[in-house]
Amino acid sequence: DSGVTQTPKHLITATGQRVTLRCSPRSGDLSVYWYQQSLDQGLQFLIQYYNGEERAKGNILERFSAQQFPDLHSELNLSSLELGDSALYFCASSVELGPSYEQYFGPGTRLTVT
Amino acid sequence: QQPVQSPQAVILREGEDAVINCSSSKALYSVHWYRQKHGEAPVFLMILLKGGEQKGHDKISASFNEKKQQSSLYLTASQLSYSGTYFCGTDNSMDTGRRALTFGSGTRLQVQP
Repeated sequence: DSGVTQTPKHLITATGQRVTLRCSPRSGDLSVYWYQQSLDQGLQFLIQYYNGEERAKGNILERFSAQQFPDLHSELNLSSLELGDSALYFCASSVELGPSYEQYFGPGTRLTVT
Repeated sequence: QQPVQSPQAVILREGEDAVINCSSSKALYSVHWYRQKHGEAPVFLMILLKGGEQKGHDKISASFNEKKQQSSLYLTASQLSYSGTYFCGTDNSMDTGRRALTFGSGTRLQVQP
């Protein structure tokens, strides 16, 4: 158990819908990262937040957005869902000790778009 | 740009050694290694920072050659528990405020009895 929690564990929804994935980082971690993992794309970095502010952006679609709240939990919002959005979505957190930032991954949310 | 991992897959007998390579076309600031078992989340193994260091963790160690923009993960005397997919994640940014890893496509390692 990494200490990072994600809800829900599984999500099945239809094309065109909107969903929200939630992540609570490990106690004391200020950074939260979101990743998408699909069979053909591997582990893709989406976005990073640090203490409520966006720090880095990866291959995140415009239909996706995220935020980190004052209590440091984060939400990833996916809208106008397409079949290709079906994937495992991981959240990770880290405490940054100088240049070192070990990331601890949550169990993931498996999204199935039908 | 995604780092290139090799080999794509390897099958070992218990007790054998393996090397997994990760190379980048860009200058590297750090390399991160993770292991993921089927249906589970990636688990952090180690970070190597710019400076060409070598690190060890039990019987798993890694090296980082920043000139060659490469890192290698060494698994010695493999155990059944080493089975899984190994990912390297590379960070090309000197901006310490921006933490973005680009992961390779993974190396699937299977250790057989």
